[in-house]
Amino acid sequence: KAGVTQTPRYLIKTRGQQVTLSCSPISGHRSVSWYQQTPGQGLQFLFEYFSETQRNKGNFPGRFSGRQFSNSRSEMNVSTLELGDSALYLCASSLIGISDTQYFGPGTRLTVL
Amino acid sequence: AQTVTQSQPEMSVQEAETVTLSCTYDTSESDYYLFWYKQPPSRQMILVIRQEAYKQQNATENRFSVNFQKAAKSFSLKISDSQLGDAAMYFCAYRRDGNKLVFGAGTILRVKS
Repeated sequence: KAGVTQTPRYLIKTRGQQVTLSCSPISGHRSVSWYQQTPGQGLQFLFEYFSETQRNKGNFPGRFSGRQFSNSRSEMNVSTLELGDSALYLCASSLIGISDTQYFGPGTRLTVL
Repeated sequence: AQTVTQSQPEMSVQEAETVTLSCTYDTSESDYYLFWYKQPPSRQMILVIRQEAYKQQNATENRFSVNFQKAAKSFSLKISDSQLGDAAMYFCAYRRDGNKLVFGAGTILRVKS
């Protein structure tokens, strides 16, 4: 079974631009979660989508948004990029509920100049 | 809010020896899940082991085992017969609500040959 895939793997943007990151979960997984990893703040939860609905949200500004499609693929969007948004963005998928383990993708490295 | 603390920023172990990574967490809940994830230089987050809080028995996965002390809110990871491939950043994580993982700051494990 293929693992979680994320595209693109690397991205360079300039301040003020917007960016869309994509995540394809493991086949059969319906929950997709997003995390931001930075040297200063560590790993922080952004949001989780299940059955096309946001089920959980972390403490990030409204510039960070996401969505999930009927095939469980998810996208994350960041508008009006700031230098501090430079990070590794990780996506994780799991089957359905709280008892299911999350499996992570390789991440998208975003650099904001 | 739940917090996870990893007090060892960096650890070293000789190949073939045993090392223990520490993790403590703070929660008022009685039912939750704990995880250890490994992040090698490739940045791919890999699940090492998971523990359900309602289970008394400590989880074991081959050379990896945990010492789960619920009353003390402690969840340490023991790696036996350390191998060069074990070198990575190790994250302890807690999950209670939905699929939101709360991570510790991580411990860098170096394996010496």
